[in-house]
Amino acid sequence: AQSVSQHNHHVILSEAASLELGCNYSYGGTVNLFWYVQYPGQHLQLLLKYFSGDPLVKGIKGFEAEFIKSKFSFNLRKPSVQWSDTAEYFCAVKDTDKLIFGTGTRLQVFP
Amino acid sequence: SQTIHQWPATLVQPVGSPLSLECTVEGTSNPNLYWYRQAAGRGLQLLFYSVGIGQISSEVPQNLSASRPQDRQFILSSKKLLLSDSGFYLCAWRRLLTGEDEQYFGPGTRLTVT
Repeated sequence: AQSVSQHNHHVILSEAASLELGCNYSYGGTVNLFWYVQYPGQHLQLLLKYFSGDPLVKGIKGFEAEFIKSKFSFNLRKPSVQWSDTAEYFCAVKDTDKLIFGTGTRLQVFP
Repeated sequence: SQTIHQWPATLVQPVGSPLSLECTVEGTSNPNLYWYRQAAGRGLQLLFYSVGIGQISSEVPQNLSASRPQDRQFILSSKKLLLSDSGFYLCAWRRLLTGEDEQYFGPGTRLTVT
């Protein structure tokens, strides 16, 4: 079965700093990959997804992620974070009818 | 548009008491339904999922059970709660269309077992 690793458990940044959150999945073949975000007090919501095609995926709020098949990775990036990006971020991979989630990365952005 | 409801929003129950959490989806038919538990530092753990009425797959052996009595209703239950059942429970649904593999999450239920 698939598994997902998120190595950054807690990231603290100042506003305008660049962000990269790591995500690795366990085995290859055709993969569907997702990043979800949970803002304080809000529902978990989809940030972006990769199914096929261009490995650089753009999502909402200026986020993007790059699928690198050779590295089994799908890292999330944002060139300049804002205080409003403070949230918990989850990477997920599709496994038949299920999504397998990573343990999450808590991002704190200070003004 | 589709919406997903969960209730109650918060619940405090004593050890040994029964549990019933309900999830309903509106605006779609024949969705896949999922129950997750979210714990700090452990991410989202998939507990159960269902691809149709009466069809339940269990992912983790535990003190909980799930049922799907109607197409858009998913219930998480326990006969006797344990302290370790405390957590944040999320319900999610997924539309069954090619390319529509993302899941949509409800607001969650915060369960505290005392």
